[in-house]
Amino acid sequence: QKEVEQNSGPLSVPEGAIASLNCTYSDRGSQSFFWYRQYSGKSPELIMFIYSNGDKEDGRFTAQLNKASQYVSLLIRDSQPSDSATYLCAVIGTSYGKLTFGQGTILTVHP
Amino acid sequence: GAVVSQHPSRVICKSGTSVKIECRSLDFQATTMFWYRQFPKQSLMLMATSNEGSKATYEQGVEKDKFLINHASLTLSTLTVTSAHPEDSSFYICSARSVTSFYEQYFGPGTRLTVT
Repeated sequence: QKEVEQNSGPLSVPEGAIASLNCTYSDRGSQSFFWYRQYSGKSPELIMFIYSNGDKEDGRFTAQLNKASQYVSLLIRDSQPSDSATYLCAVIGTSYGKLTFGQGTILTVHP
Repeated sequence: GAVVSQHPSRVICKSGTSVKIECRSLDFQATTMFWYRQFPKQSLMLMATSNEGSKATYEQGVEKDKFLINHASLTLSTLTVTSAHPEDSSFYICSARSVTSFYEQYFGPGTRLTVT
């Protein structure tokens, strides 16, 4: 079992729709969860982080964390073509401060 | 704030030569820097963790004699790929963690290495 798993997609949504990205993790002791966006040929950029169970909203983005189910998700409202990228879920587990990345989900927002 | 730079952004070298990549935190002090490698259509794989003033900790399967890491100051870490081979061609990305924030890592723009 991979430490952090994501559906590789691609996920295709129309412009203006809600894109839902999911991630599960295996280390039950994980404390910190991150969503990064990576455009082709570029390095990842942090979108959101979440530490506590529940929802965290930032603009069009909402991160949801359920530690009991070891599940974290990212919702993108009013999706735009510029949101088309690979979205990486990352987790800091019990290993000291190290980020473990999922394989990423490719999102395509079509006009 | 929280800007990390890498140099060079792109490098082409011949097989057998060594290449040094610099990672700098420009506006904050980083006690810890991380080096990742990313092959096409794959996710980031952590290679090593470096702490200022101490030896780097390498992930399993990463050759420490081939990938030399030096973290001599709170703003600079270097990765040297020694005796590079075509299979070392990849996208190398560093990240830095601020002394004031344990959890957040700030990524550099990456270095594209091509070994011919």
